[in-house]
Amino acid sequence: NAGVTQTPKFQVLKTGQSMTLQCAQDMNHEYMSWYRQDPGMGLRLIHYSVGAGITDQGEVPNGYNVSRSTTEDFPLRLLSAAPSQTSVYFCASSYSPPTGTSRNEQFFGPGTRLTVL
Amino acid sequence: KNQVEQSPQSLIILEGKNCTLQCNYTVSPFSNLRWYKQDTGRGPVSLTIMTFSENTKSNGRYTATLDADTKQSSLHITASQLSDSASYICVVSRPSWGANNLFFGTGTRLTVIP
Repeated sequence: NAGVTQTPKFQVLKTGQSMTLQCAQDMNHEYMSWYRQDPGMGLRLIHYSVGAGITDQGEVPNGYNVSRSTTEDFPLRLLSAAPSQTSVYFCASSYSPPTGTSRNEQFFGPGTRLTVL
Repeated sequence: KNQVEQSPQSLIILEGKNCTLQCNYTVSPFSNLRWYKQDTGRGPVSLTIMTFSENTKSNGRYTATLDADTKQSSLHITASQLSDSASYICVVSRPSWGANNLFFGTGTRLTVIP
């Protein structure tokens, strides 16, 4: 199993450009999430999905869109990049929600480092 | 306010020594607490998962403790190795899934030196 894969690993954008961060998992997990990690802050949830065709907003969704057409893929789209979106983005997946009394692991991808000039 | 605070922010220890990292939280209602290891340039990797009924969980040289009454957890690393150099992140969850139910600490940066 490749686990959770993310592409690209690095990306530089100019303000106003759009792009899609790719995320895929081969573990047949229903639950997938996107987080951003900024210096001095904990990871913050951007969007999440509980299965194909079902997505919802996390704590910091503004400026981002997601879709989930298959169980495997969960792309994150930046509509019009802004310098405030400079961050490291992580995709994660799990068999069940990483909350509650679940002991199932949440697997993270290697991250995409995005710089917006 | 639901928060997770970790201490110290950074720590340098000699190879072979033990160390303990702290996590205090105010998240309520509490459901589970996870410790992750994050190597530089990589995604977090799960070390331990504890629910409210568990007070100790081990994973090799890593031992996590949980005191749900005082809302404190610690991660003890025994006989440290150079490969233990990483950030260690404490994550506390509430029962439901979705926005504002999973709270990440800012991490403790551990450096193990020869």
